[in-house]
Amino acid sequence: KAGVTQTPRYLIKTRGQQVTLSCSPISGHRSVSWYQQTPGQGLQFLFEYFSETQRNKGNFPGRFSGRQFSNSRSEMNVSTLELGDSALYLCASSCRQGLEFQPQHFGDGTRLSIL
Amino acid sequence: TQLLEQSPQFLSIQEGENLTVYCNSSSVFSSLQWYRQEPGEGPVLLVTVVTGGEVKKLKRLTFQFGDARKDSSLHITAAQPGDTGLYLCAGLYNFNKFYFGSGTKLNVKP
Repeated sequence: KAGVTQTPRYLIKTRGQQVTLSCSPISGHRSVSWYQQTPGQGLQFLFEYFSETQRNKGNFPGRFSGRQFSNSRSEMNVSTLELGDSALYLCASSCRQGLEFQPQHFGDGTRLSIL
Repeated sequence: TQLLEQSPQFLSIQEGENLTVYCNSSSVFSSLQWYRQEPGEGPVLLVTVVTGGEVKKLKRLTFQFGDARKDSSLHITAAQPGDTGLYLCAGLYNFNKFYFGSGTKLNVKP
């Protein structure tokens, strides 16, 4: 069974630009969550999508947005990039249904560096 | 302020030693998970504990969920270099959202 695939693995951008990251979940998983991981803050929850709808949102500014497609693939967009957005962005999928939160399976992340 | 506090932050031990990592909160969690993350990779799930007081064993790793479901511990017996990595706890809050601890970076020296 293929795991969670994130693309690209590495990305270098400059301040003010925007970026789109992609996540393909495990086949059959309808829930996709996004996290930001930095040395100082650890893993911070960004948002969760389920069946193309955002179900939960973390405490990040509106520059961070996402969407999910009918095939459960998800994209995350960050606009007007700031130096502090440099981080490892992780995507996790699960076969969550209703309140039954099944274990999350993580991809290997996209390392975003802002110059 | 983290909802889940992990301690210690760093741990460097010799092969064969035992160690315990703690994950504490003032909040009650529906369930709690432990992950291990290696450099350049995403976290990999080790275990999920759901019931207060639950103890789960995975070879040399023992996981415990506190009776009140506010804390958890991970104990490793006879640590090996292959146990090296970042250990993360994650609590499911209100059956809704996962909160991660800040992590414990473990280095096991041969």
